[in-house]
Amino acid sequence: AQTVTQSQPEMSVQEAETVTLSCTYDTSESNYYLFWYKQPPSRQMILVIRQEAYKQQNATENRFSVNFQKAAKSFSLKISDSQLGDTAMYFCAFEDQKLVFGQGTRLTINP
Amino acid sequence: DTGVSQDPRHKITKRGQNVTFRCDPISEHNRLYWYRQTLGQGPEFLTYFQNEAQLEKSRLLSDRFSAERPKGSFSTLEIQRTEQGDSAMYLCASSFSRGPGANVLTFGAGSRLTVL
Repeated sequence: AQTVTQSQPEMSVQEAETVTLSCTYDTSESNYYLFWYKQPPSRQMILVIRQEAYKQQNATENRFSVNFQKAAKSFSLKISDSQLGDTAMYFCAFEDQKLVFGQGTRLTINP
Repeated sequence: DTGVSQDPRHKITKRGQNVTFRCDPISEHNRLYWYRQTLGQGPEFLTYFQNEAQLEKSRLLSDRFSAERPKGSFSTLEIQRTEQGDSAMYLCASSFSRGPGANVLTFGAGSRLTVL
């Protein structure tokens, strides 16, 4: 079974700083999707970014980008110019017909 | 379309009672998923449907849990003889199964269950 590990339970940075959240996964598949989802306090989960494993180019969505290292099975999320509204739980997920989620990283952006 | 709707948003029940949650997915989506999330943890997969067919059930899902999607639209998740360990947020999500949006899940706000 696929597993997803997020080794940073909590992180805290100042507004406007850059922060990187780590994620590793385990799979024997060669083609798959990876995701980062954001869950703001008391609000629903929303998609941040998606990466297809067969694409070597790292996905980017505005201030959010990933560093996808397929051989190392690593999928980190970089948030540039962090904003107060980025405060949330962030979940890394692997797609295997359904999504398998990591334990999450609680990110706090301080003013 | 207003997204994925879940009802009720909050449910408090006594141990041993039965509860039922409803999920209305995005109408164009043919896949519907149920997850359970406890405080500070990632969502755990429970089951998913493609149209009306239940394609996978987690081993976490005991016999007290049953899910249906009778007409391939809304779904219900029933928990019989609730236990305190069932207290959690129950999340529903939906997606396409094909195309550029395949497996991009849209989540509802969740149904929070508290078992006393």
